[in-house]
Amino acid sequence: EPEVTQTPSHQVTQMGQEVILRCVPISNHLYFYWYRQILGQKVEFLVSFYNNEISEKSEIFDDQFSVERPDGSNFTLKIRSTKLEDSAMYFCASTGDLQETQYFGPGTRLLVL
Amino acid sequence: RKEVEQDPGPFNVPEGATVAFNCTYSNSASQSFFWYRQDCRKEPKLLMSVYSSGNEDGRFTAQLNRASQYISLLIRDSKLSDSATYLCVVNSPAGNMLTFGGGTRLMVKP
Repeated sequence: EPEVTQTPSHQVTQMGQEVILRCVPISNHLYFYWYRQILGQKVEFLVSFYNNEISEKSEIFDDQFSVERPDGSNFTLKIRSTKLEDSAMYFCASTGDLQETQYFGPGTRLLVL
Repeated sequence: RKEVEQDPGPFNVPEGATVAFNCTYSNSASQSFFWYRQDCRKEPKLLMSVYSSGNEDGRFTAQLNRASQYISLLIRDSKLSDSATYLCVVNSPAGNMLTFGGGTRLMVKP
């Protein structure tokens, strides 16, 4: 069964450093998403991406965040200058069509020190 | 009012019990609805989509009441392996953003 994959599984970084989180969505999917979950809190939407551009973003997704689909398979989330409050689990998701099920990757656990 | 609201629980039930979870959502224009399951420190995994007509998948039954903006999940004959957090999830009207409830924790005891 096809699945969304994410790397790395864990990332520890110093405050102010840049991090890039990587995702490989399901191959025939067209819509891609990033969500985050701070420990003990609910899953929150960050951004959706379709046809090589952002289609929706939340208030969390400020100028420190960017997304890119650098080739036909990868989908990345970059945080330019990490803050302590960016520590969370970051989930990538993809779907083949709007209003259909979004499938989630296993997540990257980011810890900012 | 929270966009998607759930009772956080925990619900502690014995094996074999029937348990029901409820959820309310605020955006009446929402088009699609889901129950996801999340195990500790893992990704959300789809349990089932929710339709107005109601739908059943084995021991699981989901219902949607659009007029009341209310979603339910019924689990019959609970198993130990059902222990998890159940997430009520609503898609935006444009279909490009999932909003999650805070989750309801279920613990099934022997």
